[in-house]
Amino acid sequence: NAGVTQTPKFQVLKTGQSMTLQCAQDMNHNSMYWYRQDPGMGLRLIYYSASEGTTDKGEVPNGYNVSRLNKREFSLRLESAAPSQTSVYFCASMEPKRGYGYTFGSGTRLTVV
Amino acid sequence: QKEVEQNSGPLSVPEGAIASLNCTYSDRGSQSFFWYRQYSGKSPELIMFIYSNGDKEDGRFTAQLNKASQYVSLLIRDSQPSDSATYLCAPRDDKIIFGKGTRLHILP
Repeated sequence: NAGVTQTPKFQVLKTGQSMTLQCAQDMNHNSMYWYRQDPGMGLRLIYYSASEGTTDKGEVPNGYNVSRLNKREFSLRLESAAPSQTSVYFCASMEPKRGYGYTFGSGTRLTVV
Repeated sequence: QKEVEQNSGPLSVPEGAIASLNCTYSDRGSQSFFWYRQYSGKSPELIMFIYSNGDKEDGRFTAQLNKASQYVSLLIRDSQPSDSATYLCAPRDDKIIFGKGTRLHILP
């Protein structure tokens, strides 16, 4: 099925460890996004990529890095995980020219202990 | 950046009644809006898109946009327990800033 695929679905990290969250879409969308969602909070934008080769900071970029590897893939890296980064992470993609809104991945539930 | 305000709820509505969800915005440049539904533990899914003043109907859902008063609403007719979720209003933009959404609880 066409859509946005995120891996892994669950992850537990120790403080200070690093990891990369993977996201891939097969809808030929130009724009891709990373959000985090904490309990009782809305979705907060971490980073986004308007097109292949470009990335920009969102509302809460500190502690994260991203790579737009190609048009399909947009990864999110935590270099030194902290308990405050415990959250559910959602990747999304959109084709701005079509205006259909985001398609979200199923999310990665990350716990940092 | 374009932002919206929503009552976080929870909004409790009896089964079979009409649920009314509201959203206000401050940026007059916002021309069109999405409504997303998010079930607990799941990712948001797009349910409505409205870009012109007035009403847009899709099954039991009606989205309303009033650009003069700067509000958007979502009406759910014949509410079902399966409608219990958080509903997110978002302005169409290349970089969407979401509000916290409104939690809706349909009482059986």
